[in-house]
Amino acid sequence: EAEVAQSPRYKITEKSQAVAFWCDPISGHATLYWYRQILGQGPELLVQFQDESVVDDSQLPKDRFSAERLKGVDSTLKIQPAELGDSAMYLCASSLAVVVAGGGGEQFFGPGTRLTVL
Amino acid sequence: AQKVTQAQTEISVVEKEDVTLDCVYETRDTTYYLFWYKQPPSGELVFLIRRNSFDEQNEISGRYSWNFQKSTSSFNFTITASQVVDSAVYFCALSEAPRVTDKLIFGTGTRLQVFP
Repeated sequence: EAEVAQSPRYKITEKSQAVAFWCDPISGHATLYWYRQILGQGPELLVQFQDESVVDDSQLPKDRFSAERLKGVDSTLKIQPAELGDSAMYLCASSLAVVVAGGGGEQFFGPGTRLTVL
Repeated sequence: AQKVTQAQTEISVVEKEDVTLDCVYETRDTTYYLFWYKQPPSGELVFLIRRNSFDEQNEISGRYSWNFQKSTSSFNFTITASQVVDSAVYFCALSEAPRVTDKLIFGTGTRLQVFP
């Protein structure tokens, strides 16, 4: 069964360091999402890609976070410099939904990267 | 503004009991989608169901059933004859469509603990 792959699964870093997370969506899924889940809360969207284009990054803290999906397949999320408040689970998801035609397709999530900033 | 409320933070039941997880949503759109996801201790969100705003039929899948009521803006989830393996955090989510982004707006989740 096709799955969304993420690495690393766990990351511990010190504040002010740079970190990067990688996501490989299900083959053929044009839409890719990065969500952040703080402990005890539901996930919140950071950035959404349609192929290689950013569709929504309104909640991405652009002073320290960046995301790219250069070839429209896998994606990297970077934080530089990391802050204590960035400790969370970072989830990647993908879907077949074509944004122009309207959403509503189910999103398939990867196992997440749990980030701890010391 | 869109919002999803899961008022039950944590529910504990004994195996074989039935349990209902509540979900109330807010949206100004007439077209939208509702979802339930399960998050076991491993952390991965597992898709359970999608329901669009035009389909108010209740759905049953094995021990799972969903009750969608537009009049009360609710989309409740019932597990019949609960099992220990049902222990997880369950999230209700909303997606408004058609829009440029179909991001999911999640509730805060309900932690279900099923004891043997």
